[in-house]
Amino acid sequence: DGGITQSPKYLFRKEGQNVTLSCEQNLNHDAMYWYRQDPGQGLRLIYYSQIVNDFQKGDIAEGYSVSREKKESFPLTVTSAQKNPTAFYLCASTPNTGAYEQYFGPGTRLTVT
Amino acid sequence: GENVEQHPSTLSVQEGDSAVIKCTYSDSASNYFPWYKQELGKRPQLIIDIRSNVGEKKDQRIAVTLNKTAKHFSLHITETQPEDSAVYFCAASPTGTASKLTFGTGTRLQVTL
Repeated sequence: DGGITQSPKYLFRKEGQNVTLSCEQNLNHDAMYWYRQDPGQGLRLIYYSQIVNDFQKGDIAEGYSVSREKKESFPLTVTSAQKNPTAFYLCASTPNTGAYEQYFGPGTRLTVT
Repeated sequence: GENVEQHPSTLSVQEGDSAVIKCTYSDSASNYFPWYKQELGKRPQLIIDIRSNVGEKKDQRIAVTLNKTAKHFSLHITETQPEDSAVYFCAASPTGTASKLTFGTGTRLQVTL
């Protein structure tokens, strides 16, 4: 299971607060991704980054922000602008931009009340 | 963008029977089709994948078939076992550098004794 870590496993926040989810990988992977998983909807791409200091919006980027200051780290901030932030968040990485298999972290379950 | 549809959403089979899960995709430029297995509360894990230059791929009890003309691909699990019970996701990735996957909505497979 090693290589990609996400913390914490469970996170609780009050509505209106920003919260940052951690994703770290020691696989020396170039590309990293954030997905949101809701029941019955599969995985939806929030943001992805192919290289340090560069990232692109995915399909559901509104209300989220990311940074990629280091190759091994790709934190996701869920802002108060995200209308329905409660979900299971998964981070993933691929070895390089030409590779395809995505390796997933264990996920963070965020609950906002 | 790419759209992936997956059927059925739930599937119950008896131990030893075969299970088939089907997916269709919309973007003819997609050339990589992975299948992930996700056990309850765990991260998705790649179980098999296929590229557009191949029509079928097998790995022990699992196989994937691809029909590029019809834009559909299927997962076949033979001799199912209770440990095959999980949610299975298909995905498709168009030609590009970021391995940007679009996932289906998942199939919950239940293997009964």
